[in-house]
Amino acid sequence: DVVMTQSPLSLPVTVGQTASISCRASQSLVHSDGNTYLNWFQQRPGQSPRRLIYKVANRDSGVPDRFSGSGSGTDFTLKITRVEAEDVGVYYCLQDTHWPLTFGGGTKVEIK
Amino acid sequence: QVQLVESGGGVVQPGRSLRLSCAASGFTFSNYGMHWVRQAPGKGLESVAVIWYDGTNRYYVDSVKGRFTISRENSKNTLYLQMNSLRAEDTAVYYCARGEILTGNPFGGFDYWGQGTLVTVSS
Repeated sequence: DVVMTQSPLSLPVTVGQTASISCRASQSLVHSDGNTYLNWFQQRPGQSPRRLIYKVANRDSGVPDRFSGSGSGTDFTLKITRVEAEDVGVYYCLQDTHWPLTFGGGTKVEIK
Repeated sequence: QVQLVESGGGVVQPGRSLRLSCAASGFTFSNYGMHWVRQAPGKGLESVAVIWYDGTNRYYVDSVKGRFTISRENSKNTLYLQMNSLRAEDTAVYYCARGEILTGNPFGGFDYWGQGTLVTVSS
């Protein structure tokens, strides 16, 4: 199984500053079709997960442009610029290139 | 608008069975794969099973293989998860999530999620 390792576990951020979350896969996420299937999700307290980013860097409809994804192969990053109070929650990466699909362990973003 | 509504959760004894349902609306259900994802209390997310748009292929995480069955009834826009031989470690909120459309990555999707239904396995 592909192991997805997220860091840090916890990320205290000041409002207005930038938060950066890393996700590392134990093997390449490049699919035989040439795409890299790496997603990012936000889960606010008490809510269902919400997809923010798909295929590494594509932002979902309605997601603020403060959220951006980057990376390739096995190393990926979610960046949140100008952090707002509503960004508090747990962020997960997910690879859907290989079965079984695997999530990272999560990064808890909180406001300092 | 797209809606996914899970039901069927509850408290069940170890070894017993439960069937979850996920009612879909707002999109052409028969064109999309569908996923079940679970989250144990206070823990992270775990992909449980996926079924292709036409039901021809199904995949399971090893921990539920042989015990859980994912199925769908496209005429009723409904996804199911039959859970047998339940164990304490199956205790979780179970979410259904929309998969990918017809010709996309069959393991992809996750653009819409339900609100989840809690399954508690306890004697």
